[in-house]
Amino acid sequence: AQSVTQLGSHVSVSEGALVLLRCNYSSSVPPYLFWYVQYPNQGLQLLLKYTTGATLVKGINGFEAEFKKSETSFHLTKPSAHMSDAAEYFCAVSPSGANSKLTFGKGITLSVRP
Amino acid sequence: SAVISQKPSRDICQRGTSLTIQCQVDSQVTMMFWYRQQPGQSLTLIATANQGSEATYESGFVIDKFPISRPNLTFSTLTVSNMSPEDSSIYLCSVFLVGLAVRGSYEQYFGPGTRLTVT
Repeated sequence: AQSVTQLGSHVSVSEGALVLLRCNYSSSVPPYLFWYVQYPNQGLQLLLKYTTGATLVKGINGFEAEFKKSETSFHLTKPSAHMSDAAEYFCAVSPSGANSKLTFGKGITLSVRP
Repeated sequence: SAVISQKPSRDICQRGTSLTIQCQVDSQVTMMFWYRQQPGQSLTLIATANQGSEATYESGFVIDKFPISRPNLTFSTLTVSNMSPEDSSIYLCSVFLVGLAVRGSYEQYFGPGTRLTVT
């Protein structure tokens, strides 16, 4: 079974500041890991994902995440926040393999202050 | 990229009634998924719908409450039956498609969701 923990429900940063959204997972098998973003009144959009290979994964909109097996973590970062980054962010895990079901964390709301 | 649409985008319904949500994809897909996102909560998988077979429901969800149809490879419906205020949620359908963010991969894409309020 898989589970995802996203600590805290809300993160606020200033425009231009570092964004760090934390995600820890548990999985009985090697996992695939995902970050999705949900803008207000919209569906989910895939930011990035880790399957195999390089543990530092780069995604869209300048976001990246690093898979750390020893820490069972997949934290999302962006060097410089933009106002347009304000949204809800979900970390998700699935067992490795095609077409596998996703288990989502509770999500974190990111606010960006001018 | 594929386009996933849902109808209606939102609705306000009275308790005891039923609502059918439609999901249309502009590509043929084998598996479609239905998720629920309750207010302030994360997404929870309701069921997996394969074309030509019965939907597979997750623990806590039953066919009588959430009947699903999958008549072809581009369309599915989810019905929320005998609604109560606890059913107020966003309902999303999703599919696996050839990935854009990661070349050569299959990625899960989501529709825009149907925002349901039950009074």
